[in-house]
Amino acid sequence: DARVTQTPRHKVTEMGQEVTMRCQPILGHNTVFWYRQTMMQGLELLAYFRNRAPLDDSGMPKDRFSAEMPDATLATLKIQPSEPRDSAVYFCASGLWDVGFRNEQFFGPGTRLTVL
Amino acid sequence: DAKTTQPNSMESNEEEPVHLPCNHSTISGTDYIHWYRQLPSQGPEYVIHGLTSNVNNRMASLAIAEDRKSSTLILHRATLRDAAVYYCILANFGNEKLTFGTGTRLTIIP
Repeated sequence: DARVTQTPRHKVTEMGQEVTMRCQPILGHNTVFWYRQTMMQGLELLAYFRNRAPLDDSGMPKDRFSAEMPDATLATLKIQPSEPRDSAVYFCASGLWDVGFRNEQFFGPGTRLTVL
Repeated sequence: DAKTTQPNSMESNEEEPVHLPCNHSTISGTDYIHWYRQLPSQGPEYVIHGLTSNVNNRMASLAIAEDRKSSTLILHRATLRDAAVYYCILANFGNEKLTFGTGTRLTIIP
């Protein structure tokens, strides 16, 4: 049963610290998304990649957030320095985008981040 | 992307059908209609999608109005496990970005 995995599942840190969240997309998927969910803003798309290349990161605060795909099996989302307003659940999703355009995204369980 | 409108919440009795409406009056000809749901403490999961014709899969059915300005997600026999937030999302052909709205919170009454 192929699934998207995310680590850590929970992270509590202090303001100013660096936070790195990791995601392993489903093997064979060529598109990876990062979302953030808060009570106030709901589910927001931060950035996404296709074939490891960033396609859109317009939803991401550029000064402190960065997203990368070092290889096809790992996507990372880094926050440096972290702030209390970054507290949220961060979801990674992957999908296989092709000419058939099924556009089914598979979400991971999320990383719950708390910045004190 | 065109906007969708859904009721904030709905209730249904267990083992009865549920019809979740979605209005999308500004839908374009190349917009696909997607439905995702989010169970408590989980990431969203894909339910179904369609373009013009009604669609069925193991989870649900999608009924699309003839003018495509509205659609209805049908759960044929609701179980307690179907309690979730249901999102109706439009995405243009070739655009893999999904914009999630506030969705409909479905409560199932035992």
